[in-house]
Amino acid sequence: GAGVSQSPSNKVTEKGKDVELRCDPISGHTALYWYRQSLGQGLEFLIYFQGNSAPDKSGLPSDRFSAERTGGSVSTLTIQRTQQEDSAVYLCASSGDRAWHGYTFGSGTRLTVV
Amino acid sequence: DQQVKQNSPSLSVQEGRISILNCDYTNSMFDYFLWYKKYPAEGPTFLISISSIKDKNEDGRFTVFLNKSAKHLSLHIVPSQPGDSAVYFCAAVNQAGTALIFGKGTTLSVSS
Repeated sequence: GAGVSQSPSNKVTEKGKDVELRCDPISGHTALYWYRQSLGQGLEFLIYFQGNSAPDKSGLPSDRFSAERTGGSVSTLTIQRTQQEDSAVYLCASSGDRAWHGYTFGSGTRLTVV
Repeated sequence: DQQVKQNSPSLSVQEGRISILNCDYTNSMFDYFLWYKKYPAEGPTFLISISSIKDKNEDGRFTVFLNKSAKHLSLHIVPSQPGDSAVYFCAAVNQAGTALIFGKGTTLSVSS
């Protein structure tokens, strides 16, 4: 498609369950980013993939969070043993090169942990 | 310790007037800044950017000003339109050039 696609758009899960969030970046974009926005907060960087390089995982808040990017395209963000503080909108973005060219964001996945 | 701060959570402006959104940063090594606009249930969209070698960048109704000595930037929208009502995020490229550091956003409401 023409834009960054994220699925599901909404996810409600019980505390302690694992969840997987999916991102389909713009075709040809080599860089892919995950951010999250908690209520009343700005966008918090989670992880960055660039081509075949090792990902920058410096923003992941705990070892319950992990992400993969298969074949340089689709990415999956996995949260294990979800906690209520994980409730947020998880946003994926892709760009053709470096951050300063401006990202294209998806519409996000709203995760609610009950 | 927020590195990018937007101290005004909200701003209300009348249609046709100027909107000024402010942003402060703490790291003097930041050298590229961007503004994003976000409507509800949508992802942020890129609006305008500025490099630290400039103090002003203009694109139509939108102008970004950068004051490096004050570590401050502002976004001016002139004239403001009701369709400009959205959340505006200020962001800086991190030193590694691998990610953007965002402020908490300012909600702009433009009334007709």
